[in-house]
Amino acid sequence: KAGVTQTPRYLIKTRGQQVTLSCSPISGHRSVSWYQQTPGQGLQFLFEYFSETQRNKGNFPGRFSGRQFSNSRSEMNVSTLELGDSALYLCASSPTGSGANVLTFGAGSRLTVL
Amino acid sequence: GEDVEQSLFLSVREGDSSVINCTYTDSSSTYLYWYKQEPGAGLQLLTYIFSNMDMKQDQRLTVLLNKKDKHLSLRIADTQTGDSAIYFCAASETSYDKVIFGPGTSLSVIP
Repeated sequence: KAGVTQTPRYLIKTRGQQVTLSCSPISGHRSVSWYQQTPGQGLQFLFEYFSETQRNKGNFPGRFSGRQFSNSRSEMNVSTLELGDSALYLCASSPTGSGANVLTFGAGSRLTVL
Repeated sequence: GEDVEQSLFLSVREGDSSVINCTYTDSSSTYLYWYKQEPGAGLQLLTYIFSNMDMKQDQRLTVLLNKKDKHLSLRIADTQTGDSAIYFCAASETSYDKVIFGPGTSLSVIP
């Protein structure tokens, strides 16, 4: 079974630009969550999508947005990039059954903003 | 909202037991998780415990939950150098709720 795939793995942008990151979940998983990981703030929850709808949202500004497609693939977008957006962006998928919300993570997309 | 706290660093000798501690604030948290992150990789689920359990054992891993004190611990028996990684405690209220992570504990195993 293929794991969670994130693209691109590394990217460099300059302030003011925008970026789009992609996540392909495990086949059959309909929930996709996004996290920002930085040395100072740890893992911060961005948002979660389920069946193309945003189901949960963290405390990030509106520059951070996402969407989910009918095949459960998800993208997140960050507009007007700031230096502080430099981070590892992690995507995780989970099945939809009851019980624990067990997340399977991708390897992440490392964004550097210059 | 939920807040999860952990000590940031732990150093142990190879062969000893490691105990990583975690506290959480939301008594409504129903599921508590331990994840491991190795350098350059995403997080990997180690184990999780339901809030009506006190203990869960899985090979070298033992999870203890004190619901009254909102305290969770992960014990790794016979710690090996390959166990060196960052360990994250996490919590969620329901199976559909967001999962909130602690800051992670960096475990160093000294040969």
